Amino acid sequence: QQQVKQSPQSLIVQKGGISIINCAYENTAFDYFPWYQQFPGKGPALLIAIRPDVSEKKEGRFTISFNKSAKQFSLHIMDSQPGDSATYFCAARGSFSGSARQLTFGSGTQLTVLP
Amino acid sequence: DSGVTQTPKHLITATGQRVTLRCSPRSGDLSVYWYQQSLDQGLQFLIQYYNGEERAKGNILERFSAQQFPDLHSELNLSSLELGDSALYFCASSPWGVGEQYFGPGTRLTVT
Repeated sequence: QQQVKQSPQSLIVQKGGISIINCAYENTAFDYFPWYQQFPGKGPALLIAIRPDVSEKKEGRFTISFNKSAKQFSLHIMDSQPGDSATYFCAARGSFSGSARQLTFGSGTQLTVLP
Repeated sequence: DSGVTQTPKHLITATGQRVTLRCSPRSGDLSVYWYQQSLDQGLQFLIQYYNGEERAKGNILERFSAQQFPDLHSELNLSSLELGDSALYFCASSPWGVGEQYFGPGTRLTVT
């Protein structure tokens, strides 16, 4: 099963609040979990990524939390700003043994940060 | 700017036609991936090339084909176009063995 399930579909947060987006996966062969940010009319931009041997990774206001046993990972955006308003995609990459190095994407979360 | 370039930015064509989308990967990246983004299907992997060779295929229709040239740029060919092929087409590149994939700005294809 190659699916990555993402929730919520849309999220509205006040400026300064915490935005939380969740993803779950089935395939235990996934070995790399990036998050991408996409603005309208632009390509997805790599935001932050984590590997399954780490439970948390933080870069600035962005944190990934990873729960290997639950096969879940989430993106936390601290002190959310109106400029963070975009669509966020979680993704997972297959293991090398299957030659499947492509990314499987979640369905996306449209984040709106109100001023 | 990811360093990945795609041309053209926009393409409008009629059903039954054939188009070619072009992608230049980041300098030094050997692997190119093609993705399709549509409202109902989200971001879907189409095909991957590494150093000129096809490495993986996803949900790519038989009407679609791709290749990677010796200078590492890649082309995605879409033929017998249908209305449902209207979408954003992205390419991404990465060095082999490294997880990060960097996406280009995309080509918006509209089939009328």
